[in-house]
Amino acid sequence: GDSVTQMEGPVTLSEEAFLTINCTYTATGYPSLFWYVQYPGEGLQLLLKATKADDKGSNKGFEATYRKETTSFHLEKGSVQVSDSAVYFCALSDPIKAAGNKLTFGGGTRVLVKP
Amino acid sequence: DAGVIQSPRHEVTEMGQEVTLRCKPISGHDYLFWYRQTMMRGLELLIYFNNNVPIDDSGMPEDRFSAKMPNASFSTLKIQPSEPRDSAVYFCASQTALSYEQYFGPGTRLTVT
Repeated sequence: GDSVTQMEGPVTLSEEAFLTINCTYTATGYPSLFWYVQYPGEGLQLLLKATKADDKGSNKGFEATYRKETTSFHLEKGSVQVSDSAVYFCALSDPIKAAGNKLTFGGGTRVLVKP
Repeated sequence: DAGVIQSPRHEVTEMGQEVTLRCKPISGHDYLFWYRQTMMRGLELLIYFNNNVPIDDSGMPEDRFSAKMPNASFSTLKIQPSEPRDSAVYFCASQTALSYEQYFGPGTRLTVT
């Protein structure tokens, strides 16, 4: 079945550092890919998405490119801030197989940015 | 819009008691999802509904768990009887059929002692 694998955390880095969180997926169809972010004490919220190969999703300085050849959707940000401290989830949805855009989530990566 | 509303935000109960978690989805959303989040197992989909009808309950851990959606604006997740291993944060999320985005509520933190 479909699955998402992302790097384990925690990832600790200093303010203004470059952030990369790796995400790879397994799916038999042509999934849509997402990054969700969960700030402390809150529910998840959509950060960005890409619905087809070579699409780049971007939001709040974060970017991720849908790479079908490597089945990857790595999240990057060039200069992180303390406010980016959160847990980041990679997810996929295969609308061909699953009704209602049911999401398959990775395990989450905790990011801690120190001033 | 107030977003997805969940109640209570925190629940502490004793083993063996019945627990009911509540969710009000965003008005107009067709889909409603219940998730459970723990450190050990991460984020798990328990069940989801489309137009108030349960579509997939394969994630419900056992018969002690049940979920209902009597109308488009309300859903419950019930645990009876509760056990300490049910301690987790339970999230409700809703979505329209035309959007890729699921909107999550703030969660209910359940502690079973």
